[in-house]
Amino acid sequence: KAGVTQTPRYLIKTRGQQVTLSCSPISGHRSVSWYQQTPGQGLQFLFEYFSETQRNKGNFPGRFSGRQFSNSRSEMNVSTLELGDSALYLCASSLSDRAGAQETQYFGPGTRLLVL
Amino acid sequence: DQQVKQNSPSLSVQEGRISILNCDYTNSMFDYFLWYKKYPAEGPTFLISISSIKDKNEDGRFTVFLNKSAKHLSLHIVPSQPGDSAVYFCAGGTSYGKLTFGQGTILTVHP
Repeated sequence: KAGVTQTPRYLIKTRGQQVTLSCSPISGHRSVSWYQQTPGQGLQFLFEYFSETQRNKGNFPGRFSGRQFSNSRSEMNVSTLELGDSALYLCASSLSDRAGAQETQYFGPGTRLLVL
Repeated sequence: DQQVKQNSPSLSVQEGRISILNCDYTNSMFDYFLWYKKYPAEGPTFLISISSIKDKNEDGRFTVFLNKSAKHLSLHIVPSQPGDSAVYFCAGGTSYGKLTFGQGTILTVHP
């Protein structure tokens, strides 16, 4: 099975611009989660999508948004970019085939975003 | 509010010896815990998990111990190999799919 893929792998933007990142989950996985990794902060949870609906949300401002398509692919959008948004953005997928399951999330390689 | 903490930013061990990575948590609602390994420029790779109803889980060279009363878990790697050098993250999970990660510990295994 192919793993989680993310595009693009690297991105450079300037302050005020907006950006869209894409994530294709492992085939058959229905849940996609997004995380931001910055030095010293570990991985911070952004949001999780399941069946095209946002099921969980972290403590990020409304400039961060996402969506999921019927094929479980997901996109994450950041509007009005700030310097502090420079980070590695990771997406992870999980099967989520039954409620209450203890899910292992499998990560993609990430998109490295640099905001100048 | 740091619900999962890895208090040691780094750990250095000799090849063949035991590596012990520690993690503390404050959220009693976690149903399970996971350990991930991360190399530079790659996404985290799942290593091992443990349910909150167990106190030990073993997979090859990797063993995770959970002490619920102390809200503490640890990952033991025996024997350590140079290829184990990476950043290790512990995470707590709830049944509704959100993982909360620690800040990570950089493990260096010297030949």
